[in-house]
Amino acid sequence: QQPVQSPQAVILREGEDAVINCSSSKALYSVHWYRQKHGEAPVFLMILLKGGEQKGHEKISASFNEKKQQSSLYLTASQLSYSGTYFCGTGLYNTDKLIFGTGTRLQVFP
Amino acid sequence: DTEVTQTPKHLVMGMTNKKSLKCEQHMGHRAMYWYKQKAKKPPELMFVYSYEKLSINESVPSRFSPECPNSSLLNLHLHALQPEDSALYLCASSQAESSYEQYFGPGTRLTVT
Repeated sequence: QQPVQSPQAVILREGEDAVINCSSSKALYSVHWYRQKHGEAPVFLMILLKGGEQKGHEKISASFNEKKQQSSLYLTASQLSYSGTYFCGTGLYNTDKLIFGTGTRLQVFP
Repeated sequence: DTEVTQTPKHLVMGMTNKKSLKCEQHMGHRAMYWYKQKAKKPPELMFVYSYEKLSINESVPSRFSPECPNSSLLNLHLHALQPEDSALYLCASSQAESSYEQYFGPGTRLTVT
């Protein structure tokens, strides 16, 4: 089942913060976060695994609440380059396929 | 080199045509994926190859035929497509078919007329 992201869209000024949420109705093993700019390929941001392991870019932070089957992506001191659509992808077990969430469109203005 | 390349960038084909999409990676990844993405929607998984063997087929119509000739190459053969198949087709690779980050190619924008 497709994870649900909230909010659907966010508009920010440079320097402002944002939180993007990803919720699943099933117990998760992994949550991936990707950013896709218009007309470009999705780019990996972070993976969070059941048990607490995380891997990702230094400037990106995220959390994974295993009990609530939720993950949040924290974007602080936003820059113009943060604009794009953010997708979470969830897996139910280690080798499970990723199912991407509904997406959150983020626009950062000067 | 963390690049996944895809050719062609754009493709227009008629419903009776046969064409192929090509994807290549040189990162030594052993899992490769085909996704379909419609405008303003998330990528939808079509196929997964793991160690050059088809691992997942998400009930994709037979007019789409994947092929993995070697560990670096992934093809998607197209035949008798429908206009609703028009979309962005993304290829991705990862270290293994597991919880590793996926690297996506720029995609092929396909239009079926």
